[in-house]
Amino acid sequence: DIQMTQSPSSVSASVGDRVTITCRASQVISSRLAWCQLRPGKAPKLLIYTASRLQSGVPSRFSGSGSGTDFTLTISSLHPEDFATYYCQQGYTFPYTFGQGTKLEIK
Amino acid sequence: QITLKESGPTLVKPTQTLTLTCTFSGFSLSTNDVGVGWIRQPPGKALEWLALIYWDDDKRYSPSLKSRLTITKDTSKNQVVLTMTNMDPADTATYYCAHSLYSDSNFDFWGQGTLVTVSS
Repeated sequence: DIQMTQSPSSVSASVGDRVTITCRASQVISSRLAWCQLRPGKAPKLLIYTASRLQSGVPSRFSGSGSGTDFTLTISSLHPEDFATYYCQQGYTFPYTFGQGTKLEIK
Repeated sequence: QITLKESGPTLVKPTQTLTLTCTFSGFSLSTNDVGVGWIRQPPGKALEWLALIYWDDDKRYSPSLKSRLTITKDTSKNQVVLTMTNMDPADTATYYCAHSLYSDSNFDFWGQGTLVTVSS
């Protein structure tokens, strides 16, 4: 199985801050990387697919980059609703695998 | 508008079989490229992909759970059913179903999830 490693596992930030989360795959996955957001009581939400494509309806403050094994999710200016847990997911090969998650907390 | 909703028991006993149903709208599982998957999240832990079924009845399973899982579809009812045998307290989790495209290999629309507790 491809292992996905996210860092940091948690981060504290303030509204308006810029935050970057990284995800590393244990082998090359091309650009088959997605980012999703989980908030308590809400359906998970796809943010970014194919490493850098913004899902329809997702604010432009979210962006993704990377290819091969190293990827990043950046939130350019945090809004209150962005405090959530973020997961990367590889779709290069089965079994699909997720990172361990990054919890974004209010400072 | 694509929507999905999970349904099933909230409490199962150890060794029992869990049956979860995903009822969806806004797409058809007879359309090329379309799939529905199941993902779970134990309390305080990460997401774990379980299974996926595609429009052509291609089925994929997590190797670690393959012997316990069965995924089926009923295209006429717009439903996907996941069964998991021999439930254990470690299977306590929120179970999600999600829409996927074979060509995209991600989950673009998710249900709200259903919490299943395994306890005697």
